[in-house]
Amino acid sequence: QVQLQESGPGLVTPSETLSLSCTVSGVSVTSANYFWSWIRQPPGKGLEWIGYVYYTGSTNYNPSLKSRVTVSLDTSKNQFSLNLRSVTAADTAIYYCARFLYYYYYIDVWGKGTTVTVSS
Amino acid sequence: QPVVTQEPSFSVSPGGTVTLTCGLSSGSVSTSYYPTWYQQTPGQAPRTLIYSTKTRSSGVPDRFSGSILGNKAALTITGAQADDESDYYCVLYMTSGMVFGGGTKLTVL
Repeated sequence: QVQLQESGPGLVTPSETLSLSCTVSGVSVTSANYFWSWIRQPPGKGLEWIGYVYYTGSTNYNPSLKSRVTVSLDTSKNQFSLNLRSVTAADTAIYYCARFLYYYYYIDVWGKGTTVTVSS
Repeated sequence: QPVVTQEPSFSVSPGGTVTLTCGLSSGSVSTSYYPTWYQQTPGQAPRTLIYSTKTRSSGVPDRFSGSILGNKAALTITGAQADDESDYYCVLYMTSGMVFGGGTKLTVL
């Protein structure tokens, strides 16, 4: 059974970098069938796609976040990660990692999500 | 970045039928955008209902169906049940990536 689990600090200081990891079990992140994705949801608001990474290391990011975001793979740990720089209170959200299925272009597996608060 | 539009809220009676739609601020939604529908209840991660316009995800009841209606993607719930009360998100896949709609809050009463 495929599972994704987010991990990282629950509190980040404004202007610092938000760093999260997603540990994948049941499938290799080097599979060519998937993009490994991050999505977030501010309190009381809708879902927002952040970006994804492919097994080749190629990436695609939401244009509105592109200047601050890096998504990368760690194949040795079967993980992928999110770095979001220069955070503000507007980056406070639940952050989900997810598996995005190539060819069909949809998310078929979600992590449970982790809450990140940006505050001093 | 294109804007994906959804009704902010909708209401349906138990046993009734409701159609939620997913449009584009400019242009029409087609199957080439691989419309996907997700259901989210409070405190939970989203769940995939429909992908590639009309394919039900594993375990999704057949009262949920997807289609293209006119220039929009549509999610129809036939025979609504109390536990269908949720937020529903449409997502379109574009070369720039995934674009989420703002979501529709469905009330069953």
